[in-house]
Amino acid sequence: DAKTTQPNSMESNEEEPVHLPCNHSTISGTDYIHWYRQLPSQGPEYVIHGLTSNVNNRMASLAIAEDRKSSTLILHRATLRDAAVYYCILRNGGSQGNLIFGKGTKLSVKP
Amino acid sequence: DAGITQSPRYKITETGRQVTLMCHQTWSHSYMFWYRQDLGHGLRLIYYSAAADITDKGEVPDGYVVSRSKTENFPLTLESATRSQTSVYFCASLVDAGGPVDTQYFGPGTRLTVL
Repeated sequence: DAKTTQPNSMESNEEEPVHLPCNHSTISGTDYIHWYRQLPSQGPEYVIHGLTSNVNNRMASLAIAEDRKSSTLILHRATLRDAAVYYCILRNGGSQGNLIFGKGTKLSVKP
Repeated sequence: DAGITQSPRYKITETGRQVTLMCHQTWSHSYMFWYRQDLGHGLRLIYYSAAADITDKGEVPDGYVVSRSKTENFPLTLESATRSQTSVYFCASLVDAGGPVDTQYFGPGTRLTVL
């Protein structure tokens, strides 16, 4: 699986938007971009995924660059509950299904 | 309750003892996984299972044994625990690994300390 690069940490103020970047310059045409997050003392949970087009769901938005070499997870209004480690992960159909986790971005949200 | 559960949530044991961590899912997902999470390493795959009676090694399988006699259960056994196996262990399940869009669901984790 192709590798992703994320900042180690980011800070945000409560109720402000947060843009979490991810670089994946070696992404292949069949790789999907997945985001998971891990709240303190919990298991990871799915956030969103996309292939080429921008995606929205109730939790977040995913903006994918036209060349697909980078993407950005957008939390429109950060809450204290959004403080977590966010992982950007690439997946394709040929894998055995496991996720390959990097170190992710630790997001801190200030009241 | 529906979902994926792990037991125990916390375990302290001594070097050399056998320990079994339990994982149970209620969705009848085909695939199940065991990961460990250590500071500075993120989550790493220990073993996975594509179906009952089908298991395979992941990135860090040494010192661990798994079995899957029933679809819903995937126990992880440390045959002779070592201090280096002190970690947080997460179980996960997936409907089908064939699709790149499938969502993986994680349990709450088991924090294991080996003294």
